[in-house]
Amino acid sequence: DADVTQTPRNRITKTGKRIMLECSQTKGHDRMYWYRQDPGLGLRLIYYSFDVKDINKGEISDGYSVSRQAQAKFSLSLESAIPNQTALYFCATSGRDRTPQHFGDGTRLSIL
Amino acid sequence: GESVGLHLPTLSVQEGDNSIINCAYSNSASDYFIWYKQESGKGPQFIIDIRSNMDKRQGQRVTVLLNKTVKHLSLQIAATQPGDSAVYFCAENMHSGNTGKLIFGQGTTLQVKP
Repeated sequence: DADVTQTPRNRITKTGKRIMLECSQTKGHDRMYWYRQDPGLGLRLIYYSFDVKDINKGEISDGYSVSRQAQAKFSLSLESAIPNQTALYFCATSGRDRTPQHFGDGTRLSIL
Repeated sequence: GESVGLHLPTLSVQEGDNSIINCAYSNSASDYFIWYKQESGKGPQFIIDIRSNMDKRQGQRVTVLLNKTVKHLSLQIAATQPGDSAVYFCAENMHSGNTGKLIFGQGTTLQVKP
């Protein structure tokens, strides 16, 4: 979905480094999400935010932090990257409850 | 714990045939369901959704069926085309407050043979 932009698209880094993944959206949605995708495990929720002052942990938040800088921007940080955080990361947005989430094209992150 | 699962990891169909992708969910409180399509190198793309007060909904070449009695969801694709080749995910939204959180299944890979 071109209305949800993730940067970078690919990143290779080393264990122990701090990494920030960024997400911006032009859909005007209040709700934003960060997911991780591993082969065979589907999508798992890391953090979500329902507005600028709201941050909530998902099912796998350990080792991650987020910042909601504005309605349109939601960033994900890995404070000290470890190899098992190698995965595809997706940002998503949605409007009110029980409406579809719209996804960006993901960031492929490799930690050596 | 609650989970959303798909019956088959891979489905292979002939071009022009109809495809049916199944999904079982275990949370009886779920009241909203979505099907996504994910192509290689891209994020999940919304296909169709359905609320629990319905048992069928149709889109362009796609139909979603919901059977709440047996907690089963299916996606039917009519006249399957090569461009339909992708991984398909179902997702459920639990009716628990106003969270808007989705639980995703592991996905079914649809392969379309020419």
